[in-house]
Amino acid sequence: GIQVEQSPPDLILQEGANSTLRCNFSDSVNNLQWFHQNPWGQLINLFYIPSGTKQNGRLSATTVATERYSLLYISSSQTTDSGVYFCAVMNYGGATNKLIFGTGTLLAVQP
Amino acid sequence: ETGVTQTPRHLVMGMTNKKSLKCEQHLGHNAMYWYKQSAKKPLELMFVYSLEERVENNSVPSRFSPECPNSSHLFLHLHTLQPEDSALYLCASSQSQGGGYTFGSGTRLTVV
Repeated sequence: GIQVEQSPPDLILQEGANSTLRCNFSDSVNNLQWFHQNPWGQLINLFYIPSGTKQNGRLSATTVATERYSLLYISSSQTTDSGVYFCAVMNYGGATNKLIFGTGTLLAVQP
Repeated sequence: ETGVTQTPRHLVMGMTNKKSLKCEQHLGHNAMYWYKQSAKKPLELMFVYSLEERVENNSVPSRFSPECPNSSHLFLHLHTLQPEDSALYLCASSQSQGGGYTFGSGTRLTVV
């Protein structure tokens, strides 16, 4: 089945710093989503981005489907950005007909 | 609140108990999902319902029994669980199986 790799596995930032999280996947996808899981377990959908670039406030994401990767940018990080960031992919109607999650990037933003 | 509500938030049950987890979505979505999140493991898909019909059963033990009475409600019935079933159980919904997912806050289950 499709493999989803995220990097880095762990990241510590000072408040105000910028960061880039990466998601690589091993097969064609037509559905890619980025999620943030806060320390209480809540998973928040950040982006639905099978291709192209989107921005939402301090967060933006870019997916280059032909090269099988996606990037999540966090600018001017805040302590509330701490948690685990997951990338999840699917090839709906194709070989991978369910959303497959990566193992996540654990982000800690220090004041 | 994300529009997907899960109850209870926490549950402790013995191995001989029967309990149910509930999920309700207020987004008009027509697909719902149960995921299991254990420590140090990626999220695992358990069940998928699309238009109230189960379309995916990801080799889950029969001690987990899902029920989808309508497009807004999803249940996970639990009986004779094992300690290794302790985990965070997450419900999600989407407009279609190929769309963006919205997750609930989860039920943290402890089996003693």
